[in-house]
Amino acid sequence: DAGITQSPRYKITETGRQVTLMCHQTWSHSYMFWYRQDLGHGLRLIYYSAAADITDKGEVPDGYVVSRSKTENFPLTLESATRSQTSVYFCASRSPRGLNTEAFFGQGTRLTVV
Amino acid sequence: SQKIEQNSEALNIQEGKTATLTCNYTNYSPAYLQWYRQDPGRGPVFLLLIRENEKEKRKERLKVTFDTTLKQSLFHITASQPADSATYLCALDEGYGGSQGNLIFGKGTKLSVKP
Repeated sequence: DAGITQSPRYKITETGRQVTLMCHQTWSHSYMFWYRQDLGHGLRLIYYSAAADITDKGEVPDGYVVSRSKTENFPLTLESATRSQTSVYFCASRSPRGLNTEAFFGQGTRLTVV
Repeated sequence: SQKIEQNSEALNIQEGKTATLTCNYTNYSPAYLQWYRQDPGRGPVFLLLIRENEKEKRKERLKVTFDTTLKQSLFHITASQPADSATYLCALDEGYGGSQGNLIFGKGTKLSVKP
């Protein structure tokens, strides 16, 4: 099916574990993003990617790692999970900037770090 | 620093009335602004985009205005229905400098429409 999908939808992990959240889009959008959403903070940008092999930090990158070896995939890894990383994570994609385009979001991953 | 503010965290209105949500920004000069809807447990969904040279844009019962002098956008839902209950987010591109294509979001306004 066309669209943007995240997996898993729900994840519980222990402090100190490495966790990877997956994101896959079928449109070949060049831009992809990871946001986290917390009460009182709204959506905050963690990392973004303008194309395959090009990534950059957003507002809250500490403790996270991304990669983008293929245009359609943009995994987010928590190297050593902490309780403060308990959140809902959204992946998004967008066609190239300058076209006044909207972002398309996945359904989210709810991560709980215990 | 750059900021986007949505003045109300929550807005409660009666069915049939017009809902008006506000988005203010500082230290930006956006070429356009976007509005999204987010339902509980779901990702945001795009609703409307308005350009800086457009004063107003409409889509069915939705209307958006954009005042670059006031640095404000208003989002209206006319003849509101309980199905319009959701959180509404405004968003701007972060800038034309180092950041490429990033959308920065306000915290959202949770709209509740009572029957």
